[in-house]
Amino acid sequence: EVQLLESGGGLVQPGGSLRLSCAASGFTFSSYAMSWVRQAPGKGLEWVSSISGNGGGTYYADSVKGRFTISRDNSKNTLYLQMNSLRAEDTAIYYCAKKVAGYYDSSGYPNDYWGQGTLVTVSS
Amino acid sequence: EIVLTQSPGTLSLSPGERATLSCRASQSLSSSYLAWYQHKPGQAPRLLIYGASSRATGIPDRFSGSGSGTDFTLTIGRLEPEDFAVYYCQQCGSSPETFGQGTKVEIK
Repeated sequence: EVQLLESGGGLVQPGGSLRLSCAASGFTFSSYAMSWVRQAPGKGLEWVSSISGNGGGTYYADSVKGRFTISRDNSKNTLYLQMNSLRAEDTAIYYCAKKVAGYYDSSGYPNDYWGQGTLVTVSS
Repeated sequence: EIVLTQSPGTLSLSPGERATLSCRASQSLSSSYLAWYQHKPGQAPRLLIYGASSRATGIPDRFSGSGSGTDFTLTIGRLEPEDFAVYYCQQCGSSPETFGQGTKVEIK
């Protein structure tokens, strides 16, 4: 059974940093691209970032480019999102999602499994 | 950036009725890259349809997808109580990936 468990969310002041983790199990982690998707309070889903299975290809939304860094440790079956220079508008539930394929590239694949999400609140 | 516009914003229907949800893209996209998701409060989103018309694993056949180019449709044949939720379309073929703003299917 595929399981994705996010952690690392919490309350942080504007300008601060946070690192989210997503522990994966139930599938061959390194074979699949992964994504982070967020949902701000009362809003819809917003794609944040994706990474290929081998970690060699990454993509970012313009809203987070230069501030967030996606990475993965295939030996630990874990996906990360390093978030720096956080803003109030980054407040959201952050979901980790597995793509249906994508060892070399994350582009072109939907997300077939999602975690329950972790809440990030940016406020003073 | 490909903008996806979903309509209507809210659909008020009774169990047993048919639901038709629309997703329009700002530019033509390959149907291979159009997906639909169901999202309930407090739960993880769930993949329903990928490649515009293929049902994901375990999805009941009352859910169907169609369309091409810029116009795509999700149809729920007969609404079950568990189908009342928010539905999103997504394009994953070009960066940035984008979602529509969602259609809420609520009980009438």
